[in-house]
Amino acid sequence: SQQGEEDPQALSIQEGENATMNCSYKTSINNLQWYRQNSGRGLVHLILIRSNEREKHSGRLRVTLDTSKKSSSLLITASRAADTASYFCATDRGYGQNFVFGPGTRLSVLP
Amino acid sequence: GAGVSQSPRYKVAKRGQDVALRCDPISGHVSLFWYQQALGQGPEFLTYFQNEAQLDKSGLPSDRFFAERPEGSVSTLKIQRTQQEDSAVYLCASNEGPAYNEQFFGPGTRLTVL
Repeated sequence: SQQGEEDPQALSIQEGENATMNCSYKTSINNLQWYRQNSGRGLVHLILIRSNEREKHSGRLRVTLDTSKKSSSLLITASRAADTASYFCATDRGYGQNFVFGPGTRLSVLP
Repeated sequence: GAGVSQSPRYKVAKRGQDVALRCDPISGHVSLFWYQQALGQGPEFLTYFQNEAQLDKSGLPSDRFFAERPEGSVSTLKIQRTQQEDSAVYLCASNEGPAYNEQFFGPGTRLTVL
């Protein structure tokens, strides 16, 4: 079973708009990561946030983490058509390397 | 250097056949992971190797699934007596070791069981 749950399941926006995806999880974690998957491809790592961090930025990406609510959000600013993909959050409890992925959000950015 | 590669990219099997899926991790990567991804779902963890040692196989769905990494490099996921519910994309990932969190994924093998 999957620990993380992303919402929305699907999101469609216009190019230039911001996209926000949320992830909730059930148990305590050590790190939370976001990955992107283009259709028919493997996953690509986007950003990692540790349990003692609240916010992290990488280019047009902004990730927040609220451990009290067991939730995280991924914001993509000024979206582009090339951002069209599925986005997954993944949690781990630390050294055990057992990564648990959510079901993903399918983002469509329309030109 | 080259990324994670997997072969074959596509495999069609008749129900009851055995299949073997191969993963070539990034050279020097200590950790290797196998995931199963059903259509429209996130990857589900199957098993984890650190070098040649299989440290976690809690995600393998049945004893028909078997994975090995005998020399701590290439890994093979074998599925015996395939069933239709085994149809999925099988993803392999590797990273430099347990202190590293980012995983590098291969393109996956799409298995279709008829």
